[in-house]
Amino acid sequence: GAGVSQSPRYKVAKRGQDVALRCDPISGHVSLFWYQQALGQGPEFLTYFQNEAQLDKSGLPSDRFFAERPEGSVSTLKIQRTQQEDSAVYLCASSLGTTGYGAFFGQGTRLTVV
Amino acid sequence: DQQVKQNSPSLSVQEGRISILNCDYTNSMFDYFLWYKKYPAEGPTFLISISSIKDKNEDGRFTVFLNKSAKHLSLHIVPSQPGDSAVYFCAVLNQGGKLIFGQGTELSVKP
Repeated sequence: GAGVSQSPRYKVAKRGQDVALRCDPISGHVSLFWYQQALGQGPEFLTYFQNEAQLDKSGLPSDRFFAERPEGSVSTLKIQRTQQEDSAVYLCASSLGTTGYGAFFGQGTRLTVV
Repeated sequence: DQQVKQNSPSLSVQEGRISILNCDYTNSMFDYFLWYKKYPAEGPTFLISISSIKDKNEDGRFTVFLNKSAKHLSLHIVPSQPGDSAVYFCAVLNQGGKLIFGQGTELSVKP
């Protein structure tokens, strides 16, 4: 497809379980961003890649959160030992340039931790 | 510390009238300001932007105004249509190249 694709669309995890969220950016896009959106809030920045390099991970809430983009294309956001406060929509965005200007977003993965 | 604030969580407007969505920011060093639109169960989509060297940018029914001295921007939609009903996010591009979003304003345009 031509857009940013995220999978799964919905994920229910038991507290303590590990989850992996996938993002397929638009082909050729250099920059990739992960955001977390809690209910009724705006997207909050988590981390940013330029090609395979993770340039900014200042938004990751704890060391349970880990992201990678090993070949500069597909990215995975992993959350270990999920907690209820991790319940949110996780959005991935990609852009052609080296900033988030005009970034295209995927539909998001809604994570519910029970 | 909220760098981008949208103080109105919701706005209801009659079809055909003007919708005005507001946004305030804290850092005078931001260079680009953007508006994104989000429908339920979809990701945000880019709508319109403005650079800090301008005070107005227009695209069809959408106009963004920037008041740098007040650190305030607004999005005007004229005329409003029912299909404009969505959540609108204001965002700034910070010096690190990432987008920082406000909390969003849910616009409802009633026929």
